[in-house]
Amino acid sequence: NAGVTQTPKFQVLKTGQSMTLQCAQDMNHNSMYWYRQDPGMGLRLIYYSASEGTTDKGEVPNGYNVSRLNKREFSLRLESAAPSQTSVYFCASSAQGPSNQPQHFGDGTRLSIL
Amino acid sequence: QKEVEQNSGPLSVPEGAIASLNCTYSDRGSQSFFWYRQYSGKSPELIMFIYSNGDKEDGRFTAQLNKASQYVSLLIRDSQPSDSATYLCAANNAGGTSYGKLTFGQGTILTVHP
Repeated sequence: NAGVTQTPKFQVLKTGQSMTLQCAQDMNHNSMYWYRQDPGMGLRLIYYSASEGTTDKGEVPNGYNVSRLNKREFSLRLESAAPSQTSVYFCASSAQGPSNQPQHFGDGTRLSIL
Repeated sequence: QKEVEQNSGPLSVPEGAIASLNCTYSDRGSQSFFWYRQYSGKSPELIMFIYSNGDKEDGRFTAQLNKASQYVSLLIRDSQPSDSATYLCAANNAGGTSYGKLTFGQGTILTVHP
């Protein structure tokens, strides 16, 4: 059972380049999330999708766009990468229901912007 | 102001001791609370969640919630070197458009020394 799969695992970009981070889950979850994690900052929510067809901004959305392609897939796009976007990016998913639904995380994408 | 606060540590305990990790939150609308463990270079993994006042036990782990005082804690009994990791506290506010979103603290680094 793969759970949440993220690609790529590592990426180095030059300032101004664009790229898309891919995320797919096989747990039939309705909700999906993108976080970034920087040293000493914990996990910060970039965007989330409560259900297929909807997306909403999180705490730090500037410089990012997302697409909920279908129920399984949720992608994160950097249109013009900046060094400040160097971080570890995690995708997560959760079932909908009572508020005690935990989020399950992918292995992360380590992104460096030069 | 960060909505979920944790002491970043590091917290160092001897093997076999009880490790106590604390977390406070500012949003009284928060309904569920989650503890995640994150090993260096890995993704967060769920340890347990709690949504009712009082204690919840799962093996060597006990989560405690006090909504009046707005704090949640995690106790690890008989700590082992393999428990050395960063522990993330997260709060869920299921009201309105924030349904399903988690707000994470910055994490507490725990080191268990032999």
